[in-house]
Amino acid sequence: DTGVSQDPRHKITKRGQNVTFRCDPISEHNRLYWYRQTLGQGPEFLTYFQNEAQLEKSRLLSDRFSAERPKGSFSTLEIQRTEQGDSAMYLCASRSEASYGLADYTGELFFGEGSRLTVL
Amino acid sequence: AQKITQTQPGMFVQEKEAVTLDCTYDTSDQSYGLFWYKQPSSGEMIFLIYQGSYDEQNATEGRYSLNFQKARKSANLVISASQLGDSAMYFCAMREGDDYKLSFGAGTTVTVRA
Repeated sequence: DTGVSQDPRHKITKRGQNVTFRCDPISEHNRLYWYRQTLGQGPEFLTYFQNEAQLEKSRLLSDRFSAERPKGSFSTLEIQRTEQGDSAMYLCASRSEASYGLADYTGELFFGEGSRLTVL
Repeated sequence: AQKITQTQPGMFVQEKEAVTLDCTYDTSDQSYGLFWYKQPSSGEMIFLIYQGSYDEQNATEGRYSLNFQKARKSANLVISASQLGDSAMYFCAMREGDDYKLSFGAGTTVTVRA
């Protein structure tokens, strides 16, 4: 499978513990995005990378959250001292910047299947 | 202010009939794009269709078509010949400029009845 993959798919943790999610984007995609989706809502942007550079962080990303993309390939999203309000689906997405403007450009942002976090 | 508004929390449709999902958007950018994604209960976001703000023709992809009315700032999704497998949550989303920090609506749950 050459799509965006995320691991783990499900994580249950106790409040106060740290958790880390991993995202492997489509290999030639230079842009990688993290979104958070709470139950019954649409996804909300958290942060994005161009290659290894983190270009923007949403105000939703508190100091307890950190994201990295050390070699411009996979990315990790770590949540420290988890709180019950962190319970959500964490979605990763990727795209190739190079495709923008091409005749066959579909505008697609490719999403992974998400990592569902439950904080008890 | 909400950038994407989906006013229909849930809809029922009979199998083989068409259904229209409403989406209105708010942006001051001249260059933007509108997306529709399907999210089944398993959670993955499945891309359905895309419309760029400069595209003159309404986008179509198989049974999906996007009714783009720029002056009204609406981008409704039409699903023709509904199938049981179309039962899912549907999200409208927008990018502004080349910025892919997509803004999503709250979604519409579609239930297809046999």
